[in-house]
Amino acid sequence: DQQVKQNSPSLSVQEGRISILNCDYTNSMFDYFLWYKKYPAEGPTFLISISSIKDKNEDGRFTVFLNKSAKHLSLHIVPSQPGDSAVYFCAARDQTGANNLFFGTGTRLTVIP
Amino acid sequence: EAGVAQSPRYKIIEKRQSVAFWCNPISGHATLYWYQQILGQGPKLLIQFQNNGVVDDSQLPKDRFSAERLKGVDSTLKIQPAKLEDSAVYLCASSLDRVSGEQYFGPGTRLTVT
Repeated sequence: DQQVKQNSPSLSVQEGRISILNCDYTNSMFDYFLWYKKYPAEGPTFLISISSIKDKNEDGRFTVFLNKSAKHLSLHIVPSQPGDSAVYFCAARDQTGANNLFFGTGTRLTVIP
Repeated sequence: EAGVAQSPRYKIIEKRQSVAFWCNPISGHATLYWYQQILGQGPKLLIQFQNNGVVDDSQLPKDRFSAERLKGVDSTLKIQPAKLEDSAVYLCASSLDRVSGEQYFGPGTRLTVT
């Protein structure tokens, strides 16, 4: 049972434009959400996070939006750069029990120069 | 600050053989995680340690997988005997504690079982 879903396996965007990556979740006990970026042959790298008590968090070119009623979050990258080309994973923390992270299947972003 | 170290980076074994992976977390991080990432999927938690104790191993196939974190620092994950479906990247991650949201990942070990 996939509790965190990224329904778009891939996304292509022109350099300088906005990239929007989406993530949906089903578990209402998730209290913290994270985005990770992964390059080939490397481990995932933490990018940005948001607590469930907020609806927006911004860090430079990266902004994460959370819509709790829709159980949806999105990552906006503005402006997109070729170095942003990577696989992006959405993750959510279950506040019950062991505070484990649940990951989506990832979206491969390609930024075209 | 040094990141999470893992070795080996790549391993190829035949089915029914055994294999072990090693992880050294970021210094001072009390919580350590092992994940399995199968091609095309996101990382899936296998086991979580807090210092040298197991917090959650509910997703660890205990008939063939084992893990330990002696002295609350380094950790090893072992598979014995390996099956074809164990082919995956095994990721180690660490965090300051169980409350901190951010986990920091190592580069992973790519296991191929033939």
